[in-house]
Amino acid sequence: GAVVSQHPSRVICKSGTSVKIECRSLDFQATTMFWYRQFPKQSLMLMATSNEGSKATYEQGVEKDKFLINHASLTLSTLTVTSAHPEDSSFYICSARDAPRGPQHFGDGTRLSIL
Amino acid sequence: GDSVTQMEGPVTLSEEAFLTINCTYTATGYPSLFWYVQYPGEGLQLLLKATKADDKGSNKGFEATYRKETTSFHLEKGSVQVSDSAVYFCALGGSQGNLIFGKGTKLSVKP
Repeated sequence: GAVVSQHPSRVICKSGTSVKIECRSLDFQATTMFWYRQFPKQSLMLMATSNEGSKATYEQGVEKDKFLINHASLTLSTLTVTSAHPEDSSFYICSARDAPRGPQHFGDGTRLSIL
Repeated sequence: GDSVTQMEGPVTLSEEAFLTINCTYTATGYPSLFWYVQYPGEGLQLLLKATKADDKGSNKGFEATYRKETTSFHLEKGSVQVSDSAVYFCALGGSQGNLIFGKGTKLSVKP
């Protein structure tokens, strides 16, 4: 149980394109979803926390107009990288949990490459 | 603020060797501690966890003990296999329900 599906797994696109990444909890209702960014050979950095039906809480230094997060239902959160540039290239991972202190279940990540 | 420090890799071992990956943390209070594993091209999977001092988490032959006195949560395995090759992340549970990760340690096990 507790499967989180992230789609797409890999995206390659031109600079200036907007890219949407989906994160779905397949067999549970996710009250909270997290979005992380992982730089090469570095740790996962929390970008934002989203609760269903409310605005996402962004970490310091993360541009909310650049990284749009929507958590419209209990099973789906989306991250849209707007007007992506090469410096946005990274590995993005989402996680979801079904209770305030419950464990986080991770998606398989999305490799974003901006040319 | 809260933080996690883990030994830098990469770590290269022969099959059946003993593994230790050190992890220490800084936190207010007594957070839950976790080890996650990331296989090539995949997301993170929870390997084990401990929620209070002296707890030992274990899974798939891996163990880690929550040491309050040394603020450590070192990962150990007695005999590694090639299939254990992955990146291992130590993490602590933040006060907001988030996770704070270490930088990860890449393990390569050679046959």
